[in-house]
Amino acid sequence: ELKVEQNPLFLSMQEGKNYTIYCNYSTTSDRLYWYRQDPGKSLESLFVLLSNGAVKQEGRLMASLDTKARLSTLHITAAVHDLSATYFCAVGGSYIPTFGRGTSLIVHP
Amino acid sequence: ETGVTQSPTHLIKTRGQQVTLRCSSQSGHNTVSWYQQALGQGPQFIFQYYREEENGRGNFPPRFSGLQFPNYSSELNVNALELDDSALYLCAVQGLNTEAFFGQGTRLTVV
Repeated sequence: ELKVEQNPLFLSMQEGKNYTIYCNYSTTSDRLYWYRQDPGKSLESLFVLLSNGAVKQEGRLMASLDTKARLSTLHITAAVHDLSATYFCAVGGSYIPTFGRGTSLIVHP
Repeated sequence: ETGVTQSPTHLIKTRGQQVTLRCSSQSGHNTVSWYQQALGQGPQFIFQYYREEENGRGNFPPRFSGLQFPNYSSELNVNALELDDSALYLCAVQGLNTEAFFGQGTRLTVV
């Protein structure tokens, strides 16, 4: 059974600081997703990572994938308040992703 | 923009009742998945439909059932509602080799 673990589960950070969210998964998979969810809202797709060494960047967020280590990271650079949300990684198998528990990020002044 | 629409957005039901949730997409993706998201948790996979056939199922009892229609819209039916069924229910559509695009969800409260 595929297990996906994220850490930390809660993250409070100051504006302007950098931080990394980690996503570990238990079995080999061909794709990894990062999603953002605002309170009471649905999930917004951020990144899809398809191969070992894949790196994608959008604004202050950068995601990477190491399939050998079964690890993905979501790096936040110079955080701003608008990034406050819950971030989920999901690992895909046969197009049915298994989600982690999410990292609740709060960015404060 | 896939335009995934779910209805209703909010629903309150009594324990033991039955509920039907609906999902439609403007894009015509032929794969639809349903997820249950309890408060503070990640979405849990319920089942997936591909071309009107169930294509995979998570660890949910048979009282959770679904349908996909020729226009790729979908329903999730839950019988004999229990208090623990209270959650946000999300549908997601996807095509081959694409990520899943989620609807806004239906917030179900069972009292």
